[in-house]
Amino acid sequence: EDKVVQSPLSLVVHEGDTVTLNCSYEVTNFRSLLWYKQEKKAPTFLFMLTSSGIEKKSGRLSSILDKKELFSILNITATQTGDSAVYLCALGGSQGNLIFGKGTKLSVKP
Amino acid sequence: NAGVTQTPKFRILKIGQSMTLQCTQDMNHNYMYWYRQDPGMGLKLIYYSVGAGITDKGEVPNGYNVSRSTTEDFPLRLELAAPSQTSVYFCASSLVAGQSGYTFGSGTRLTVV
Repeated sequence: EDKVVQSPLSLVVHEGDTVTLNCSYEVTNFRSLLWYKQEKKAPTFLFMLTSSGIEKKSGRLSSILDKKELFSILNITATQTGDSAVYLCALGGSQGNLIFGKGTKLSVKP
Repeated sequence: NAGVTQTPKFRILKIGQSMTLQCTQDMNHNYMYWYRQDPGMGLKLIYYSVGAGITDKGEVPNGYNVSRSTTEDFPLRLELAAPSQTSVYFCASSLVAGQSGYTFGSGTRLTVV
């Protein structure tokens, strides 16, 4: 059975801290690994990773995929209160569906 | 740009009632999906469609039905609502399977009492 496991499930940090969110998976034949940020409503897209070892970067956020060890990490540096959200990892299946992990709830305190 | 539009945003149903959650997209996407999200959980796939006239079951299809008569519309039907169907429902669409062009609707919060 395809599985996506995120850790930790929740995390509380202070502004300015750096955090690393983890996503490990047991999914065969996936096309891509995606990271989403979910605040009050629908998930919003952050990154899509298809190749191992190539870092994607957007401002203070970065992510990398390791296809050999079957995991991905999402890094957030110099966290701000606006980074508080649930971060979802998902793998894109061959039918276009996404297989989601349970998410990591990040709380950034001022 | 409307994107993916879901209605209603909120609904309370009594056990045994039926309803249809509407989903429309104006991006000419072939792929459309219905997910449900329970508290503290990731999204689980209910049904999906790879094009008009084609639908298939996802991970949690029991208690639901879908149809895809046009490219734009992908309604989700709940027959005989049960408390276990209390959840937030998201419709999504994509142009290419499993890619970044995945667009979510704003969600429907459904409570069955």
